[in-house]
Amino acid sequence: DAGITQSPRHKVTETGTPVTLRCHQTENHRYMYWYRQDPGHGLRLIHYSYGVKDTDKGEVSDGYSVSRSKTEDFLLTLESATSSQTSVYFCAIRGGGGLDNEQFFGPGTRLTVL
Amino acid sequence: EDQVTQSPEALRLQEGESSSLNCSYTVSGLRGLFWYRQDPGKGPEFLFTLYSAGEEKEKERLKATLTKKESFLHITAPKPEDSATYLCAFSNFGNEKLTFGTGTRLTIIP
Repeated sequence: DAGITQSPRHKVTETGTPVTLRCHQTENHRYMYWYRQDPGHGLRLIHYSYGVKDTDKGEVSDGYSVSRSKTEDFLLTLESATSSQTSVYFCAIRGGGGLDNEQFFGPGTRLTVL
Repeated sequence: EDQVTQSPEALRLQEGESSSLNCSYTVSGLRGLFWYRQDPGKGPEFLFTLYSAGEEKEKERLKATLTKKESFLHITAPKPEDSATYLCAFSNFGNEKLTFGTGTRLTIIP
């Protein structure tokens, strides 16, 4: 258990509405990541953070923004949700203590945009 | 272009019937090759990291191996609780992301 929680776990929203997903970690990891998982695509990186207020884009960042004001929280925002953003979203942290290259995942948030 | 392909997409085995899952990759500057297990409705669970050709890692009925172009996840005498989707991924130097394959869905029939 990497001490990662995600909220909400499920959300249904309408096209055009803003949505914020939260990732919370309890073990003071520096690196945090947001991925999305879709059938036929595998997991793809949206954004990541390498410290408080330090973030960078991944391969599928269009339509998403992130913020990290505290070490323990990494927020993913869809400013105006579209149906193509219906997906399962996973947060991950990079491990430490000899597992510096490994990423550990949270339980996921299933988002449906109608 | 860096990419990873997993095969087969799905595999059904009888309990006790050993087999292997394949992960073929093309990457410049491999930092690590990772295997994860994912159960329905849950996040990926880390299994192994392999760093160089010839390396092997084992955990219970699972053994992961690595060559310069492929990684295999060998499952010996599987049990129904080994049923899951197995994902492989790699990271390369100078890049924070993991590049994932689409997974092999393994079903072990009692």
